[in-house]
Amino acid sequence: GENVEQHPSTLSVQEGDSAVIKCTYSDSASNYFPWYKQELGKRPQLIIDIRSNVGEKKDQRIAVTLNKTAKHFSLHITETQPEDSAVYFCAAGRSGTYKYIFGTGTRLKVLA
Amino acid sequence: NAGVMQNPRHLVRRRGQEARLRCSPMKGHSHVYWYRQLPEEGLKFMVYLQKENIIDESGMPKERFSAEFPKEGPSILRIQQVVRGDSAAYFCASSPFGGSDTGELFFGEGSRLTVL
Repeated sequence: GENVEQHPSTLSVQEGDSAVIKCTYSDSASNYFPWYKQELGKRPQLIIDIRSNVGEKKDQRIAVTLNKTAKHFSLHITETQPEDSAVYFCAAGRSGTYKYIFGTGTRLKVLA
Repeated sequence: NAGVMQNPRHLVRRRGQEARLRCSPMKGHSHVYWYRQLPEEGLKFMVYLQKENIIDESGMPKERFSAEFPKEGPSILRIQQVVRGDSAAYFCASSPFGGSDTGELFFGEGSRLTVL
């Protein structure tokens, strides 16, 4: 079945460094790729998304890249801050469906 | 504009009891989704509902689980005869769009079910 693999499962970086989280999807029909941030005990919240007609999207310190050929997309956080510490989930979806397939999450810890 | 409201936030049940989880979507949203999150895992799709209709329940276990979204009132996820393996966080999400489009899902804070 459809699957999204996410790596790494945990990531520790020093404050100010960059963090990169990678996901691979199996459904070649996927054309929508959101990233959600979930703080401890809180709801998942969308931080950025990208559609398959775009290769890269940036929003301040956050960027996402998409390689459709490799079925691979990544989240990049630059100049990390302690408040970036959370669990990040990637997901893949396609038009005509709403069953986003989520990755297993990356627990990011930014060390002050 | 209040966000997606879920209650209860925490629920403890003994094996064999019933659990009812409620979800009120954001104002103006008519599409509701339920996801389950097991410890240290991602979100797994369970069911998609519109008012008075179950659109897709392919992620729901065949037995003991049911969902509804009545014309009036919140969406309900019902788990009968709970077992320990049902212990999880159940998240409801809503959206203003339907199955023909993709976009942001707005999640509630979740209901954390513990089965003793």
